[in-house]
Parts: sequence; C-alpha cells; structure tokens
Amino acid sequence: DADVTQTPRNRITKTGKRIMLECSQTKGHDRMYWYRQDPGLGLRLIYYSFDVKDINKGEISDGYSVSRQAQAKFSLSLESAIPNQTALYFCATSGDSSYNEQFFGPGTRLTVL
Amino acid sequence: AQSVTQPDIHITVSEGASLELRCNYSYGATPYLFWYVQSPGQGLQLLLKYFSGDTLVQGIKGFEAEFKRSQSSFNLRKPSVHWSDAAEYFCAVDSGGYNKLIFGAGTRLAVHP
Repeated sequence: DADVTQTPRNRITKTGKRIMLECSQTKGHDRMYWYRQDPGLGLRLIYYSFDVKDINKGEISDGYSVSRQAQAKFSLSLESAIPNQTALYFCATSGDSSYNEQFFGPGTRLTVL
Repeated sequence: AQSVTQPDIHITVSEGASLELRCNYSYGATPYLFWYVQSPGQGLQLLLKYFSGDTLVQGIKGFEAEFKRSQSSFNLRKPSVHWSDAAEYFCAVDSGGYNKLIFGAGTRLAVHP
C-alpha cells in the first residue's frame, strides 16, 4: 500500500466551484505539504503544516486554504476555482528534521474549465 | 531570495551514454540540496541529497552528484544511462533549514535506444 495517498487522482470542475483535494499518509510524519506543479515552473509550495496545530502559507497560497484534520490527513481546498488553478497537485510528508527527505503522493490532476 | 536554476529544459541521450544534468542555486548559507526524479504519472522520488561533508554524494539507481560551492552548483551525473531513466529530474534547495523546498523548473530526459 502507498504511504502517501491522494484523492481524487483526476478532477475536472468548472469556474467558481469549491473543490477539496485530500491527502492521507501512513508514515507517521508530523510535517505535511501541498505543492502545485506547472510545466516549466517546477513545484511551488502552497501550504505546509509542521503539526496539527501549525499551518503556514507557502509561496503561492492565494486562492487556497488547508485543513489538518489529524496527523495523517491534510486537505487542500479551492474555495472558488479559476482556470489558472489548473495544475498537478502534490501532497508530501517528511520527518521533523531538515535532513529528512519529503515523500510525495502520486498527485491530483485538476482541470478548471 | 533563494532560487534554483536548471538551465536545460530537455536533454536527449543515447542509452549507454553518460549523463550530466545541471543545477545552480542561489543561497547565502550552506544549502541543503536534493535531486528528485519524477517518472511519468508518478510522484517524486528522492535520488540523493547533500547536507555537509563529502561533496560527492551517491544516490539510488547509480546516480551521483557533486556539490561545488565556488560554482553554486550541484550537478547530477550517471556514467551509463538506461532507457528506464527517462523521466523528469528536479533539483531542490531547502529554504532556511525548515524543510521547505524550492524546486528548479526541471529537466526532462529522453533516452534513445
């Protein structure tokens, strides 16, 4: 079984709709992250959480919100989706040290029409 | 601000040939540096990382990278490429030691038989 899972894997929605992307992990990590990937831009950090009570904005948080429901669950919401939020979204987790690698989920491909 | 540059967007090599993917970073202190690989339809997987010590680091799948402080570079190398190495490769730097990664735009590698 995968250590980091994301649901859904693919989603097509319309402008103005509310969308939630979910991430679950079984690695027992405290730190979780949401990134978006766009062609030619690499991955950019949207939000990160170092524990259940600690949530921080990343580089591109405008238009997004997150919820850390438990140590193992970290959800990303688009309150009112717009076409330029069409991207590949990745969730990641890591241990508590900067020496720890980040483990990535398989990604969610989101298309906003 | 910290940044990572991968000058080559696409690289094509023949199977069995050597490979070098370039990565330059901008960061004031000693950086934590990473190389990740993304196979088609997959999440990212860590190839190797550098924090301190020996500037030549070995990773998985026969990859290695060399940290050169004077050139602000962390180039990825492999002596003999296999067809299964076709993927997108991302260099990343840890921003400030909080395990917040800044990614380069990626280099897509194609391998000809």
